[in-house]
Amino acid sequence: QKEVEQNSGPLSVPEGAIASLNCTYSDRGSQSFFWYRQYSGKSPELIMSIYSNGDKEDGRFTAQLNKASQYVSLLIRDSQPSDSATYLCAVIVIGNQFYFGTGTSLTVIP
Amino acid sequence: EPEVTQTPSHQVTQMGQEVILRCVPISNHLYFYWYRQILGQKVEFLVSFYNNEISEKSEIFDDQFSVERPDGSNFTLKIRSTKLEDSAMYFCASSLDDKNEQFFGPGTRLTVL
Repeated sequence: QKEVEQNSGPLSVPEGAIASLNCTYSDRGSQSFFWYRQYSGKSPELIMSIYSNGDKEDGRFTAQLNKASQYVSLLIRDSQPSDSATYLCAVIVIGNQFYFGTGTSLTVIP
Repeated sequence: EPEVTQTPSHQVTQMGQEVILRCVPISNHLYFYWYRQILGQKVEFLVSFYNNEISEKSEIFDDQFSVERPDGSNFTLKIRSTKLEDSAMYFCASSLDDKNEQFFGPGTRLTVL
């Protein structure tokens, strides 16, 4: 069964804090992992991709992948009110289908 | 910056009618996708399209759905006989290859009455 699990939240953090978002996936054969941001009523917007174990940094965002634990996370440093959105974890499974998690709602409190 | 575009932004139709949703993928992308998102639920994969044929489809993509690339730029999703439960946001996406990032259009909100 191919599933992507995320804590639906809501997650609230104060402005300037680190927000930590987590995702687990069930398909051990998955090789490609993505984080998207979705504002209410809008389409998913790519934040970053990660393909290898370890950390990948892009500005205030850091993605972490642990294939042995089937776990991928996203850290947002210096969180801003504009970061308030739903964060979607997506995984490409065998068969090349994109599976999305249900998303974690993040609110950054000024 | 190149982007995926979709028309219309909102489509209202009567149950049983046919609708066609249109997308213009990013010009040098080779893979094209349709997703749907029912209000309050997760984004669900419908179909992927490569080299003028369907490469993958989900259980949702039944005989009521079809996709087409009628020319060099457009990519369409047709729903032959709409049902109330087809009401959702439909997103088109495209990518350079099937292992990398997909870029999403703004979506079409379909309302079936």
